[in-house]
Amino acid sequence: AQSVAQPEDQVNVAEGNPLTVKCTYSVSGNPYLFWYVQYPNRGLQFLLKYITGDNLVKGSYGFEAEFNKSQTSFHLKKPSALVSDSALYFCAVRDRDTGGFKTIFGAGTRLFVKA
Amino acid sequence: NAGVTQTPKFRVLKTGQSMTLLCAQDMNHEYMYWYRQDPGMGLRLIHYSVGEGTTAKGEVPDGYNVSRLKKQNFLLGLESAAPSQTSVYFCASTWGTETYEQYFGPGTRLTVT
Repeated sequence: AQSVAQPEDQVNVAEGNPLTVKCTYSVSGNPYLFWYVQYPNRGLQFLLKYITGDNLVKGSYGFEAEFNKSQTSFHLKKPSALVSDSALYFCAVRDRDTGGFKTIFGAGTRLFVKA
Repeated sequence: NAGVTQTPKFRVLKTGQSMTLLCAQDMNHEYMYWYRQDPGMGLRLIHYSVGEGTTAKGEVPDGYNVSRLKKQNFLLGLESAAPSQTSVYFCASTWGTETYEQYFGPGTRLTVT
């Protein structure tokens, strides 16, 4: 069965420091991987995705993520955090070998960036 | 272009009451989804639709029904609300499967007392 794990409920980082939000996944076939961000009282917004090709993908607001097949990970990164990056981040996976109709979301990681 | 809209934004129900949540999208997306979000559990799929007139069960379908009579609308119904259905409900839509990201509505906060 497909699953997504975000091992940290919360990540704290100082403004200007690099940030990493971790995600590992489990699928039976090859994965499509996504990151979404949720600001308070809002719906989720798409940040970036890995479909195929280059393992390092770049997305909105300066975020990037690295796909690591051997470690089944897709960690979200940003070189220099901003206070405005504080939000709830969700990793998600689709299994391309089972039709991809359903997306499985992780439980979310809350990011706090302190000024 | 409004994207994905949801009505209502907030609702309080008594146990046993019924209601319908409306989701509308103006992007001509084929696929639409209903999720519920509970603290510490991420998003769980309730029902989804791969096109007008079609619906399918997701991960947590019990106590909910859906209809997709028009391509742009996806309705979620609660026939007899229970306190366990207190949650935030999100609708999402996308062009297709696999490689396409989803677009989410702003959510409906439902409390069942």
